[in-house]
Amino acid sequence: EAGVAQSPRYKIIEKRQSVAFWCNPISGHATLYWYQQILGQGPKLLIQFQNNGVVDDSQLPKDRFSAERLKGVDSTLKIQPAKLEDSAVYLCAWAGEYNEQFFGPGTRLTVL
Amino acid sequence: AQSVTQLGSHVSVSEGALVLLRCNYSSSVPPYLFWYVQYPNQGLQLLLKYTSAATLVKGINGFEAEFKKSETSFHLTKPSAHMSDAAEYFCAVSDAGNNRKLIWGLGTSLAVNP
Repeated sequence: EAGVAQSPRYKIIEKRQSVAFWCNPISGHATLYWYQQILGQGPKLLIQFQNNGVVDDSQLPKDRFSAERLKGVDSTLKIQPAKLEDSAVYLCAWAGEYNEQFFGPGTRLTVL
Repeated sequence: AQSVTQLGSHVSVSEGALVLLRCNYSSSVPPYLFWYVQYPNQGLQLLLKYTSAATLVKGINGFEAEFKKSETSFHLTKPSAHMSDAAEYFCAVSDAGNNRKLIWGLGTSLAVNP
């Protein structure tokens, strides 16, 4: 994974609890993405930031998910309250010159 | 609308055999195209990218892909499979709009048999 730190790597919570994920694109990049990847499926874009602003959050379940990007660098994704179907890997990525995306290792969330 | 089709959700090859993973795209403008690999419990790693320079693109781990405009294809190949190549492979195309999004295929799971 090229230059993206994510934490925690694993998280187990009970349904209806809250959880937060953190992403730091180490070199600092204007465009940042959060994806949800359910086991056996491809990545699904949740939200795209350009600097501090949101470019696309059309697939973000806004009744329970929220995300912010502070000072155009770090970003957090929060789920409150969590549902069983939120069990997935949450991936953070930044965009390169040709729109290629570079991903962090992801956070594996298990909701019990 | 742009789309990416990966033919075969599961591909199985023997160790040492040719790997061929198929990807077709639809795009109204010359696209940028990408292949990613995902090993178990890891994030997505960029294997290679086509950016309208050479049509034959070489990537990491001995993989390469050829852009064929006439066939709207970008198939991924490796001459000789290794056990460590077992993973999920995703093809993606850069969205035609200037929005820096990727359109993703559904993925192909590659199994390598000894």
